[in-house]
Amino acid sequence: ETGVTQSPTHLIKTRGQQVTLRCSSQSGHNTVSWYQQALGQGPQFIFQYYREEENGRGNFPPRFSGLQFPNYSSELNVNALELDDSALYLCASSRAGTGPLQPPLHFGNGTRLTVT
Amino acid sequence: QKEVEQNSGPLSVPEGAIASLNCTYSDRGSQSFFWYRQYSGKSPELIMSIYSNGDKEDGRFTAQLNKASQYVSLLIRDSQPSDSATYLCAGAVWTSYDKVIFGPGTSLSVIP
Repeated sequence: ETGVTQSPTHLIKTRGQQVTLRCSSQSGHNTVSWYQQALGQGPQFIFQYYREEENGRGNFPPRFSGLQFPNYSSELNVNALELDDSALYLCASSRAGTGPLQPPLHFGNGTRLTVT
Repeated sequence: QKEVEQNSGPLSVPEGAIASLNCTYSDRGSQSFFWYRQYSGKSPELIMSIYSNGDKEDGRFTAQLNKASQYVSLLIRDSQPSDSATYLCAGAVWTSYDKVIFGPGTSLSVIP
């Protein structure tokens, strides 16, 4: 069983630039969620994709956008980078819940983004 | 009000002791709860899921859920130095999507 993989591992960008992060979901999982984790904080929900559509979004501006592909892999795009975007970006996959009891998220190793 | 709150750390326990980690949540619609362990610089890894009131045991770990009190806890018995990490509590609410919200985490140090 292949786990969740993310690329790249580390990235350094300049303020104002754009970045694309990539994620391959665990086999058998059809839902991908993206989280931002600043140092010393818990992961903050950015958005979730299911069947190639965004079906849920946290409190993040529109310059954070994403895609999900037919093979369930996903991309996170961030435009007009700001210094505060420096964080660990986590991709998590899961099977879609079929009711109120939800299966757990399985995380990739994350992408460490530094904005200078 | 934060949706998921955890007891402030850092928490230090001697090796072999019981570590107790606590979590409260505000959304009564939450039905699914998870504990994750996160080592410094690494991604969260799932320790346990719990869905029903009561206790759930897995090896040295016991999760407890009390939906009436909106309270979740994690006990680690016979704590080992390798248990030193940040522990994240998460609650899930089923809306039009699977919304999983994390607490800020509690840092645990197990002292040899």
